[in-house]
Amino acid sequence: SQQGEEDPQALSIQEGENATMNCSYKTSINNLQWYRQNSGRGLVHLILIRSNEREKHSGRLRVTLDTSKKSSSLLITASRAADTASYFCATGGSARQLTFGSGTQLTVLP
Amino acid sequence: DAEITQSPRHKITETGRQVTLACHQTWNHNNMFWYRQDLGHGLRLIHYSYGVQDTNKGEVSDGYSVSRSNTEDLPLTLESAASSQTSVYFCASSESRGSTDTQYFGPGTRLTVL
Repeated sequence: SQQGEEDPQALSIQEGENATMNCSYKTSINNLQWYRQNSGRGLVHLILIRSNEREKHSGRLRVTLDTSKKSSSLLITASRAADTASYFCATGGSARQLTFGSGTQLTVLP
Repeated sequence: DAEITQSPRHKITETGRQVTLACHQTWNHNNMFWYRQDLGHGLRLIHYSYGVQDTNKGEVSDGYSVSRSNTEDLPLTLESAASSQTSVYFCASSESRGSTDTQYFGPGTRLTVL
């Protein structure tokens, strides 16, 4: 079973708009990571937030983490057509493994 | 530049055949992982290794095996391929640094079992 569950499963927005994706998880974590997957490609790491952090920024990405609610959100500002991809959250615990959610498919329309 | 490669990129095989998917990384990472990706299931962990001669079962290990004879390679073997193993397979590696464990993924192998 998956630790993380993304919401929504699919999201379609216009270029220039902001995109927000949410992730919920079940057990305690050391960190939470977000990955992007372009069609037909492998996953690429985007950003990591540790369990003692509440917010992190990287370029147009903003990640928040609420450990009391066991949830995280990924905000992509000023979306571009090139942001069209699937986005996955992954939780890291005490072991060296990651547990991935089922992903959000983001489509940015030009 | 360091990278992680998978071969073949596409494979069609028949039920009952043994199939081996290759994964090679030049990151010099200790940790390597095999996942399968199916619609509606995200990525599910098949097997993983934390170093040479170390292998461990993941969530969906039945029908699969791995071996780790060196740092760079973790081949995944399907002992007797089944149609349920039709999927896209991803290999990943990571180097543990405290509590991060960021993973680097290969491009994937699309396997079809007829």
